[in-house]
Amino acid sequence: EAGVAQSPRYKIIEKRQSVAFWCNPISGHATLYWYQQILGQGPKLLIQFQNNGVVDDSQLPKDRFSAERLKGVDSTLKIQPAKLEDSAVYLCASSLVLGLLDRDEQYFGPGTRLTVT
Amino acid sequence: GDSVTQMEGPVTLSEEAFLTINCTYTATGYPSLFWYVQYPGEGLQLLLKATKADDKGSNKGFEATYRKETTSFHLEKGSVQVSDSAVYFCASSGGSYIPTFGRGTSLIVHP
Repeated sequence: EAGVAQSPRYKIIEKRQSVAFWCNPISGHATLYWYQQILGQGPKLLIQFQNNGVVDDSQLPKDRFSAERLKGVDSTLKIQPAKLEDSAVYLCASSLVLGLLDRDEQYFGPGTRLTVT
Repeated sequence: GDSVTQMEGPVTLSEEAFLTINCTYTATGYPSLFWYVQYPGEGLQLLLKATKADDKGSNKGFEATYRKETTSFHLEKGSVQVSDSAVYFCASSGGSYIPTFGRGTSLIVHP
């Protein structure tokens, strides 16, 4: 079974530029998560999709971050314009389904390391 | 909101020593609890989980028991190996199914 795929693995941009990250979850996984992990901290959920609908985006800085999952499969996270404090690893994860009793394990991709200079 | 608090690291041990990494949580409802591990240069992977009070999760010699009365989910292993060196994250699914992670605890095991 193929794992969660992410690209690019590394990205360096200047502040005020824009950047996009791509994620392809495990086949058949309905739930997709984007996390931001700043060095020395745990992952912070940015947005959670169930199929192509948003379950939660309360921690997504919507003035500069956007995400979509148009066909309920792969997803794109965009930052425009980037700030220095956006330097972090952006993790994508997927799980089978989010239901009344969500007990599903999350499978993580390798992450994209973003450096904003 | 929900939160997870882990003991600060790094935790440095000799091989075959006993390991405890403390984790406490606050959550609405009845969350599931998880320990994830991140080995050097790799992504996060699930180590173990527990879905209700008094459940014990176990894997690879690691154990953690879901204690509702103390809102804790401490990770333990009786005899650590050098290969256990990694960063360990405690996480909660939250009553609203929004995952919350702790800051991570780095474990360094010396031969």
